[in-house]
Amino acid sequence: AQSVTQPDIHITVSEGASLELRCNYSYGATPYLFWYVQSPGQGLQLLLKYFSGDTLVQGIKGFEAEFKRSQSSFNLRKPSVHWSDAAEYFCAVSGYNQGGKLIFGQGTELSVKP
Amino acid sequence: EAQVTQNPRYLITVTGKKLTVTCSQNMNHEYMSWYRQDPGLGLRQIYYSMNVEVTDKGDVPEGYKVSRKEKRNFPLILESPSPNQTSLYFCASSTGLENNEQFFGPGTRLTVL
Repeated sequence: AQSVTQPDIHITVSEGASLELRCNYSYGATPYLFWYVQSPGQGLQLLLKYFSGDTLVQGIKGFEAEFKRSQSSFNLRKPSVHWSDAAEYFCAVSGYNQGGKLIFGQGTELSVKP
Repeated sequence: EAQVTQNPRYLITVTGKKLTVTCSQNMNHEYMSWYRQDPGLGLRQIYYSMNVEVTDKGDVPEGYKVSRKEKRNFPLILESPSPNQTSLYFCASSTGLENNEQFFGPGTRLTVL
């Protein structure tokens, strides 16, 4: 069955520290992978996406993610976290000809310490 | 401005009282979808629509109805709401093509007493 797992429910990092949010997927075909961010009381905003090509993708707000097919992972990284990055982060997977259906992970809530 | 709008943003209702949450997009997108978000479960798809008059069930369709009479609108109907439908609901739209980026509305927080 298709699924996405985000192993960390809640992560706390200090401002200026580096960040890595983990995402593992199970998908039978070539996956399309996404990271969304949800700030408190807001909708979801796309951070970045991977369809094909270079496995290291750059997104908005200084985020990047690396697709590793052998590990079925698509981890999100940021070299230096800002207080405004505190939010909930969702990894999602879809595929070609899936009609746009997204399968989401459970989400990781990020807190940033001053 | 390209956007997905939802109304109402907040709703408190009682068990059994029919309600409709509206969703509208101005991007001429073919594909629209409804999700519910619950703590620890992420977002789960309720229903989706590939185009006008074409709808299908997602992963958690029980207790919900949808319709797609116009391309821009995709209302979510709860005929007889129950407390287990208390949740945060998101509408989304996309082109439905290979570039599957979905644009999300701001969410509707529903409480069923």
